[in-house]
Amino acid sequence: GNSVTQMEGPVTLSEEAFLTINCTYTATGYPSLFWYVQYPGEGLQLLLKATKADDKGSNKGFEATYRKETTSFHLEKGSVQVSDSAVYFCALRKYEKLTFGTGTRLTIIP
Amino acid sequence: NAGVTQTPKFRILKIGQSMTLQCTQDMNHNYMYWYRQDPGMGLKLIYYSVGAGITDKGEVPNGYNVSRSTTEDFPLRLELAAPSQTSVYFCASRPGLHMGNTEAFFGQGTRLTVV
Repeated sequence: GNSVTQMEGPVTLSEEAFLTINCTYTATGYPSLFWYVQYPGEGLQLLLKATKADDKGSNKGFEATYRKETTSFHLEKGSVQVSDSAVYFCALRKYEKLTFGTGTRLTIIP
Repeated sequence: NAGVTQTPKFRILKIGQSMTLQCTQDMNHNYMYWYRQDPGMGLKLIYYSVGAGITDKGEVPNGYNVSRSTTEDFPLRLELAAPSQTSVYFCASRPGLHMGNTEAFFGQGTRLTVV
């Protein structure tokens, strides 16, 4: 079946540091790939998405590129802020089902 | 624009009690989902529905039931609550396949504790 493997956390960085959260997937064909973010006490919100190989999703300074050859969708940001502290989920969608990774808790310290 | 609304936000149940978690969406989405989120375990799919009258099991359906009598509502029923069902429950919805690759919208969650 489909699965998503995500970098384990928690991750703690200083403000303005470079961020990478690794995500790899297992699925047949060409799933759509997503990063969702969950702020404390809230539901998940879409951060960015990519629907085909080599697509780059971007939003709020975050980027991720759909790499079919390495089955990866790593999340990056060049300079993180305290307000980026949250839990980040990598996910894939194949037909009607959404499959999530285990989530990575990110804490940014001033 | 309410989006996906879940009630209640918090609930404490005793072992063996039953309850229904409510989920309503006002976006006319065909697809609806129930997930549970356990610490360090990510989100696990409990049940999903591709339209009114159609439901299907996800990864962890045991101990739960669902119904989808209308497009808007997708309640999740716990018949005999057990401590293992202590979790945060999220409902989500999205448009159907014919509307392209679109995101899922999530409710704010229901935190359930079974004691």
